[in-house]
Amino acid sequence: KAGVTQTPRYLIKTRGQQVTLSCSPISGHRSVSWYQQTPGQGLQFLFEYFSETQRNKGNFPGRFSGRQFSNSRSEMNVSTLELGDSALYLCASSLVGAHEQFFGPGTRLTVL
Amino acid sequence: DAKTTQPPSMDCAEGRAANLPCNHSTISGNEYVYWYRQIHSQGPQYIIHGLKNNETNEMASLIITEDRKSSTLILPHATLRDTAVYYCIVRDSSGSARQLTFGSGTQLTVLP
Repeated sequence: KAGVTQTPRYLIKTRGQQVTLSCSPISGHRSVSWYQQTPGQGLQFLFEYFSETQRNKGNFPGRFSGRQFSNSRSEMNVSTLELGDSALYLCASSLVGAHEQFFGPGTRLTVL
Repeated sequence: DAKTTQPPSMDCAEGRAANLPCNHSTISGNEYVYWYRQIHSQGPQYIIHGLKNNETNEMASLIITEDRKSSTLILPHATLRDTAVYYCIVRDSSGSARQLTFGSGTQLTVLP
């Protein structure tokens, strides 16, 4: 069974631009969560989606948004990029009620 | 979710058991202990979880003290591929929220 896939794997943007990252969960997984990882702050929770609804949100500004489609695929968007948004963005999917979450390889975003 | 404390780094000889400790003295009765690891620049990987009893799977064993205030992850025969950052996470699984709160983790280095 295919794992969680994230596209693109690498991305370079400039300050002020916006970016959209995509996550395809494991087939049958309806819960998708997003995390940001930076050297300074470590792994931080961004938001969680289930059945196309945002169920939980971390402490990030409104420039960070996301959505989930009916096939459980999810996208996250960051508008008005700042240098500090340079990070590894990770997506995780899970079955409803399951303990285990499966992470994708991440998208490495560099903001210049 | 309860806070966890882990040593920042540990070394282990290849082929020997690696014992990674975690302190979670404020854990509450319905909170599980989860272990994930992250090999450099990859997404975190689920290892094991437990509530009260010791658990074992094909990757590792989890020993939880009787008062549940600490736990130890055991990799029985560490290999070079086990070099990674290991995260101990405590989370209430009774609710709908799926977010994981990652701390700084323990950098385990397996030495040849």
